[in-house]
Amino acid sequence: QVQLQESGPGLVKPSQTLSLTCTVSGGSISSGDYYWSWIRQPPGKGLEWIGYIYYSGSTYYNPSLKSRVTISVDTSKNQFSLKLSSVTAADTAVYYCARVEITFGGVISLWGQGTLVTVSS
Amino acid sequence: SYVLTQPPSVSVAPGQTARITCGGNNIGSKSVHWYQQKPGQAPVLVVYDDSDRPSGIPERFSGSNSGNTATLTISRVEAGDEADYYCQVWDSSSDHLVVFGGGTKLTVL
Repeated sequence: QVQLQESGPGLVKPSQTLSLTCTVSGGSISSGDYYWSWIRQPPGKGLEWIGYIYYSGSTYYNPSLKSRVTISVDTSKNQFSLKLSSVTAADTAVYYCARVEITFGGVISLWGQGTLVTVSS
Repeated sequence: SYVLTQPPSVSVAPGQTARITCGGNNIGSKSVHWYQQKPGQAPVLVVYDDSDRPSGIPERFSGSNSGNTATLTISRVEAGDEADYYCQVWDSSSDHLVVFGGGTKLTVL
């Protein structure tokens, strides 16, 4: 079955750029039925949607993060990526990649296991 | 932006019924999805499109949505249901927003 796996550094220095990649296995990222999303969860807090990308490259971002976020897709590698610039301690969180179903009211039907990113010098 | 409001906590004795609400302006016109999250784990979908259950989710989990409130109902609550629960909606208009409620901690007494 389809699985998602996040990868990237677990520690980022303040003011630098956080970079994560999500690898899609068991299925094609080029399916037209989904948006590929990043969601984060600060320790002890709730879920926050960061943004998503369609396989064609169309992107949509949370307005509160839009100025610092870039999501990209590499269909040849079946991967999509997140870059978050100018990070601070407030960006410390578990970052999840996820699949948003277009034809089922935007339900998030698949999640990666999540990866903790700590922003600290 | 669209706001979803959940109670921070709900407590229920084993075997009883737990109801977790999710408030939003005219939420009844949207599809609401519910996720269960246990400590250290990724969220798991328990109800989608207001009231449908994914395969493998017990019938004890049900949902409803009308007016300004959506509700997740867990019948015959078990100790294993203790978790955080999040509601979520999707605005697929020009803004394309995925919105989560703040989450509700379900405690089984």
